[in-house]
Amino acid sequence: ETGVTQTPRHLVMGMTNKKSLKCEQHLGHNAMYWYKQSAKKPLELMFVYSLEERVENNSVPSRFSPECPNSSHLFLHLHTLQPEDSALYLCASSPQTENYGYTFGSGTRLTVV
Amino acid sequence: TQLLEQSPQFLSIQEGENLTVYCNSSSVFSSLQWYRQEPGEGPVLLVTVVTGGEVKKLKRLTFQFGDARKDSSLHITAAQPGDTGLYLCAGGSYNFNKFYFGSGTKLNVKP
Repeated sequence: ETGVTQTPRHLVMGMTNKKSLKCEQHLGHNAMYWYKQSAKKPLELMFVYSLEERVENNSVPSRFSPECPNSSHLFLHLHTLQPEDSALYLCASSPQTENYGYTFGSGTRLTVV
Repeated sequence: TQLLEQSPQFLSIQEGENLTVYCNSSSVFSSLQWYRQEPGEGPVLLVTVVTGGEVKKLKRLTFQFGDARKDSSLHITAAQPGDTGLYLCAGGSYNFNKFYFGSGTKLNVKP
């Protein structure tokens, strides 16, 4: 148990589907993040939320839409994805956006067919 | 071009051997972290180093931050199968948008 829980663990979706990834943390952290991990590439920061406010959007395509309803929950809404979006999507949290170490979830393995 | 280069990319050794993996950059970092990621899981933070020349030990793992704060190394003594995983270094300022991950070193320790 890492303190950050992601669901689902695995997801297969068609290019026309709409799905959502969920992340939940009960560590009392104020910052939450979405990262994308593809084979042979470094972790790519997608979105950052601090105290439920989005503070960073790293040129992510609009087919990815984040939502942070409160400081414990983070969602990533997906629609009309492409096969190249297949990857491991990791949620992380930290006490503040000044990074003193992330706590990562186990990730959602996404396959777009 | 990656800001943080890790080497080697892959390492397969026998149980009991020693190994060192490296994390190098041409940039200066205010802090550097090492994570281990096991298959099917997210990365887990092992250590944070913040002072040039700093050495930290975690059981059989020794982490060093370079004097110029541009590089770091991780040395494992008497590796065990439980050490198998992807080792990631990450560095930056204390600012989320200037924090970078390397591509990792995939370590396999054979019994």
